[in-house]
Amino acid sequence: EVQLLESGGGLVQRGGSLRISCAASGFMFSSCAMSWVRQAPGKGLEWVSTISDGGDSTNYADSAKGRFTISRDNSKNTLFLQMNSLRAEDTAIYYCAKSDGYNYDSSFDVWGQGTMVTVSS
Amino acid sequence: DIVMTQSPDSLAVSLGERATINCKSSQSVLYTSNNKNNLAWYQQKPGQPPKLLIYWASARGSGVPDRFSGSGSGTDFTLTISSLQAEDVAVYYCQQYFSIPLTFGGGTKVEIK
Repeated sequence: EVQLLESGGGLVQRGGSLRISCAASGFMFSSCAMSWVRQAPGKGLEWVSTISDGGDSTNYADSAKGRFTISRDNSKNTLFLQMNSLRAEDTAIYYCAKSDGYNYDSSFDVWGQGTMVTVSS
Repeated sequence: DIVMTQSPDSLAVSLGERATINCKSSQSVLYTSNNKNNLAWYQQKPGQPPKLLIYWASARGSGVPDRFSGSGSGTDFTLTISSLQAEDVAVYYCQQYFSIPLTFGGGTKVEIK
C-alpha cells in the first residue's frame, strides 16, 4: 500500500525553526518528485515546494523562498522541509504529496494525512 | 503566475442530480508538445487530506467512480458529477501543473440540497 506519513509538526515561536518529515512506503520513492502543500485553518490549498526525483531540482513558492528548504533522502525514503524564520501566516497543516512523475509537471496522486504547524506570536 | 478561478464558490444539489464545477486559468495550461492539459481536480472531505480525482484534465484517478468526469482544454475546464451521492459532499479544487508556481483554485463546496 502506498503511504506517506508526516511528522515533526508542533508549536513554535515566531522567528523560530522547525523541520518536518515525510516517510514514504509502498512505491519507488526515488522515481517520483515530491512536494509540500499547506492549508491554513479554514482556507484553501497552497503549494509550498517541490523537489525532483533525484533531488537535483527544487522549486519554491514566493512565500517560502529564502526561508524554507526542501530535501530528500532516497536511501531512507524520506522527504524533509526545513522551515526557518517562521511567521504567524505559516500556521497550517502541511501535507506531503507524491507526484505522478519525476518533476513538478505532474499531478499529486498520493497525499499524506498532514502535520500541523502552529506559529505563535 | 497562473491564476486559477473556480465557480461557483458553493453549490447545493439534490441527490442523484448533476453537479458542475468550473475552473478557468489565466493562461493556457495546454502542453502543445503532447497535446495534454496540465490540469487536475482534487476532492477534500472534512478532516481529510485531498484526493486526486482527475488528471490531464480528463483522466480519472485510481479507484475514482465513473460518475466523476473532467473536460475542457486550454483555459476553461469543468468537473462534472453526473449523479450526486451523499459521500460526494466535499470541497473540490482544480490545480495547474503547467508552470511554477503550481497553483490551486479557491475551491468549490458541494452540499446536498
